[in-house]
Amino acid sequence: TQLLEQSPQFLSIQEGENLTVYCNSSSVFSSLQWYRQEPGEGPVLLVTVVTGGEVKKLKRLTFQFGDARKDSSLHITAAQPGDTGLYLCAGARYGNKLVFGAGTILRVKS
Amino acid sequence: DAGITQSPRHKVTETGTPVTLRCHQTENHRYMYWYRQDPGHGLRLIHYSYGVKDTDKGEVSDGYSVSRSKTEDFLLTLESATSSQTSVYFCAISPGFGTNEKLFFGSGTQLSVL
Repeated sequence: TQLLEQSPQFLSIQEGENLTVYCNSSSVFSSLQWYRQEPGEGPVLLVTVVTGGEVKKLKRLTFQFGDARKDSSLHITAAQPGDTGLYLCAGARYGNKLVFGAGTILRVKS
Repeated sequence: DAGITQSPRHKVTETGTPVTLRCHQTENHRYMYWYRQDPGHGLRLIHYSYGVKDTDKGEVSDGYSVSRSKTEDFLLTLESATSSQTSVYFCAISPGFGTNEKLFFGSGTQLSVL
């Protein structure tokens, strides 16, 4: 059983569309990180959210941490082919022993 | 990019043979980690190190051992490889252990156990 459930597992959209990826848990996390991974490479950190209700923006990407610090979302506005990749959420409960979700594979078609 | 080198990048081995994967960093970070990535499971922590000769188990440590004799090198050993250990293995590093610390990942080792 995955401690962090990500949805959807796969997403294939056209360039210019908006999308949201969800990361849910029944556990409380002290922080939540989002990573992006390209084929053949390791994950790269996009953002860390720490405070319940916190919203962070990174260009066209908006990240939100749930008020109870059990869930998070990633919203991409006007997706571009360069956004294609595997998106992973990871929750920290103690130090850096992160718990990762299974990931969302995003494909943006031009 | 963080200076992390994993070797080998690809490995095919037979069941029952020992395998050692190497992670080398040039960042002088104190903390080093070994993860495995499998479809449907995301990344799972195998072992981590908080200093030279200081290591601890992660959530999927059975069948794996690690060693860290120098700050820059963290070795992962499969004493007797099994088919269930076929996976992509990632090394990661971080300067500290706080919940806000950023992990830097290597490019991974694809291991196939036949």
